[in-house]
Amino acid sequence: RKEVEQDPGPFNVPEGATVAFNCTYSNSASQSFFWYRQDCRKEPKLLMSVYSSGNEDGRFTAQLNRASQYISLLIRDSKLSDSATYLCVVTRGYNQGGKLIFGQGTELSVKP
Amino acid sequence: GAGVSQTPSNKVTEKGKYVELRCDPISGHTALYWYRQSLGQGPEFLIYFQGTGAADDSGLPNDRFFAVRPEGSVSTLKIQRTERGDSAVYLCASSLTGTGVYEQYFGPGTRLTVT
Repeated sequence: RKEVEQDPGPFNVPEGATVAFNCTYSNSASQSFFWYRQDCRKEPKLLMSVYSSGNEDGRFTAQLNRASQYISLLIRDSKLSDSATYLCVVTRGYNQGGKLIFGQGTELSVKP
Repeated sequence: GAGVSQTPSNKVTEKGKYVELRCDPISGHTALYWYRQSLGQGPEFLIYFQGTGAADDSGLPNDRFFAVRPEGSVSTLKIQRTERGDSAVYLCASSLTGTGVYEQYFGPGTRLTVT
């Protein structure tokens, strides 16, 4: 079993739709949580950090449930430009050198 | 400012050959990471440098893989006796430091194909 697991997708949605991605992690010692975005044949880029209190950045909302070891990302009012692969990422701790542990990614395709 | 750069962008080599992949991190970043991404998968950690030393090489798959960062800036990932299973995109990332949690900035990657 992988340490970080995501819905494999692909998710095909029309413009304007709301889409939710889920992610679970198995290591209870995980400390920090992120969503990265990766466009086709490009490098991953940080989309947002995820906090227990939840956080929002425009149309994007991320939630963390430490008890269930579950992370989510909600995208409202999807745009064509949101089409990408979304990677759920955790780190094991502040003294673990910050190495990132990635899920396999969920592909999103937003259609006109 | 300049981001993380990697060379070459593409490398095709024959099975059994030796390859070197280069990473030039953001100036002033002391932490440098190598990851490998296979098709349809997320990146997998290979090795982490803090300064010149490899602080964590637990992700290197076997002793054919080796990386150096002699002056604490540019790093080279070296793969000996390449195998077809080594074909992947090799990503390098850097961050201000490896202590605490700082954003990692990724380079565009080197796409390695072993024929």
